[in-house]
Amino acid sequence: DQQVKQNSPSLSVQEGRISILNCDYTNSMFDYFLWYKKYPAEGPTFLISISSIKDKNEDGRFTVFLNKSAKHLSLHIVPSQPGDSAVYFCAAPLISNFGNEKLTFGTGTRLTIIP
Amino acid sequence: DTEVTQTPKHLVMGMTNKKSLKCEQHMGHRAMYWYKQKAKKPPELMFVYSYEKLSINESVPSRFSPECPNSSLLNLHLHALQPEDSALYLCASSQENLGRAGYTFGSGTRLTVV
Repeated sequence: DQQVKQNSPSLSVQEGRISILNCDYTNSMFDYFLWYKKYPAEGPTFLISISSIKDKNEDGRFTVFLNKSAKHLSLHIVPSQPGDSAVYFCAAPLISNFGNEKLTFGTGTRLTIIP
Repeated sequence: DTEVTQTPKHLVMGMTNKKSLKCEQHMGHRAMYWYKQKAKKPPELMFVYSYEKLSINESVPSRFSPECPNSSLLNLHLHALQPEDSALYLCASSQENLGRAGYTFGSGTRLTVV
């Protein structure tokens, strides 16, 4: 049961343009979201997060937007740079059967920045 | 030190072998995690340790046995694995056992079972 979904497995964007990565979720109890970036042969690294009390959070070139009514969030990268080429995962904390939080990941989007 | 260190980086083992994966962090994080990632799939949680106690076991087969000897170390003991267990095994840690805390991941161990 995939509660966090990224429907685009891959995305190619010209260097300098805006990259928009999308994420949808089904569980209305989610109140916090995180984006992770993963290079090949490395572990995911935390990028940016957003609480459900906000609809936007910005950190340098990265902005995450949250639309709670649509259960949708997006990550905007502008301007896109070659080093942004990676797999991006959105993630949300979920209360486990054991009563504590665990992080559940979306399926990932491979972003390729074309020089 | 802001890293999670995993060893070995690569491991090839037979189905009758016993091996261990190791994970170490010196950030004072009190929660540590094992995730498994198959190709083109998201990381899937296996185990969570909080304050050196096992707090989540996601119905992982007993051929995987976690161990947390102290607050800085996390091991994953492997025995009688199957070829379908071949995957990238990721260790992570966080300040507290909270998904929203943001995890620090290691680079992973690429395991191949032959």
